Amino acid sequence: EAGVAQSPRYKIIEKRQSVAFWCNPISGHATLYWYQQILGQGPKLLIQFQNNGVVDDSQLPKDRFSAERLKGVDSTLKIQPAKLEDSAVYLCASSLGTSGASTDTQYFGPGTRLTVL
Amino acid sequence: AQSVTQLDSHVSVSEGTPVLLRCNYSSSYSPSLFWYVQHPNKGLQLLLKYTSAATLVKGINGFEAEFKKSETSFHLTKPSAHMSDAAEYFCVVSPYSGGGADGLTFGKGTHLIIQP
Repeated sequence: EAGVAQSPRYKIIEKRQSVAFWCNPISGHATLYWYQQILGQGPKLLIQFQNNGVVDDSQLPKDRFSAERLKGVDSTLKIQPAKLEDSAVYLCASSLGTSGASTDTQYFGPGTRLTVL
Repeated sequence: AQSVTQLDSHVSVSEGTPVLLRCNYSSSYSPSLFWYVQHPNKGLQLLLKYTSAATLVKGINGFEAEFKKSETSFHLTKPSAHMSDAAEYFCVVSPYSGGGADGLTFGKGTHLIIQP
């Protein structure tokens, strides 16, 4: 079974530029998550999708971050404009999303390492 | 709101000796608790999870954890450390939520060092 795919793996940009990350979840997984992991810290949830609807985006900095999952499969996360403090690894995860009781295992992709100069 | 506190940022043990990584949690609901491992330049991998069944949970690679509600703890143990266990370990909590929001809350991580 293929895992969660993410691209690109690495990205370096100047501050105030825009950047987009792509995620393809495990086939059949209804729920998709984006996390931000700053160096030396645990991942922090940015947004959760159930199919193509947003379940939780309470921690997403909406002035500069946006995410979409238009067809309920792939997802993109965009930052516009980027700041120095956005340097982090952006992780995508997916789960079956059928239990609705937080017992589903979340499977993580390899992440995209973003460096903002 | 839920949170986890990993009591040690670094733990160093000798190969072949027991491992203990400590975690305390706080949750308004009956939580699901997890341990994830992150090897350098690799993705997060689930070690084990507690979901209100047996309080002693066995995971992969010989790891296990015990849920103690009275102590609000979920410590991770392994009887004998192996060099390949060197990695970052995260204690994680997810609340029960009827609305379906089950994003994970991670601790800050414990860096496990294995001495030869």
